[in-house]
Amino acid sequence: AQTVTQSQPEMSVQEAETVTLSCTYDTSESDYYLFWYKQPPSRQMILVIRQEAYKQQNATENRFSVNFQKAAKSFSLKISDSQLGDAAMYFCAYRRGGATNKLIFGTGTLLAVQP
Amino acid sequence: ETGVTQSPTHLIKTRGQQVTLRCSSQSGHNTVSWYQQALGQGPQFIFQYYREEENGRGNFPPRFSGLQFPNYSSELNVNALELDDSALYLCASSSRDWDTEAFFGQGTRLTVV
Repeated sequence: AQTVTQSQPEMSVQEAETVTLSCTYDTSESDYYLFWYKQPPSRQMILVIRQEAYKQQNATENRFSVNFQKAAKSFSLKISDSQLGDAAMYFCAYRRGGATNKLIFGTGTLLAVQP
Repeated sequence: ETGVTQSPTHLIKTRGQQVTLRCSSQSGHNTVSWYQQALGQGPQFIFQYYREEENGRGNFPPRFSGLQFPNYSSELNVNALELDDSALYLCASSSRDWDTEAFFGQGTRLTVV
């Protein structure tokens, strides 16, 4: 069975600084996708960034980038130039390639941004 | 905001009762997934509907059931509510045909007393 582990329940960062959130996963599949979702107090899960397992290049979306280490099954999220609006719960998620769009989530990391 | 809407936003039910939660999917999406998110936890997959048929189910008992309608909106029904069913229920829509990513609604907070 696939699992996703986030070992940092809480993290804190100063505004304008950089923070890295950690995620590890376990799978025997070769075709899969990894995601970071943000869940602010409004509760809506918002997609931050997506990584296809077959791509060697790390995904980047503006201030958000990932460090995808396939052999180590590690998928960390780096947030640069942190902003107050980045404060939220962040979830790492896995999806197997194929028909079912079933996401497997980690337990989340609560990110606080200090002014 | 995504085009996925859920109703109601909050709900209080008594143990043993039945509840129906609703989800309108984003335009162009034909797949709806439901997740249960207990307090302090990540969402857990309940099931998915594709073109009105159940297409994958997580580790939830049969008293969790669903429907998808021709317009691809969906319902989640839970019978014989238990206290542990108290959670945030999230709906996500996507297009399986185009392998799009899941877009989530704002959820329904269910409290069972």
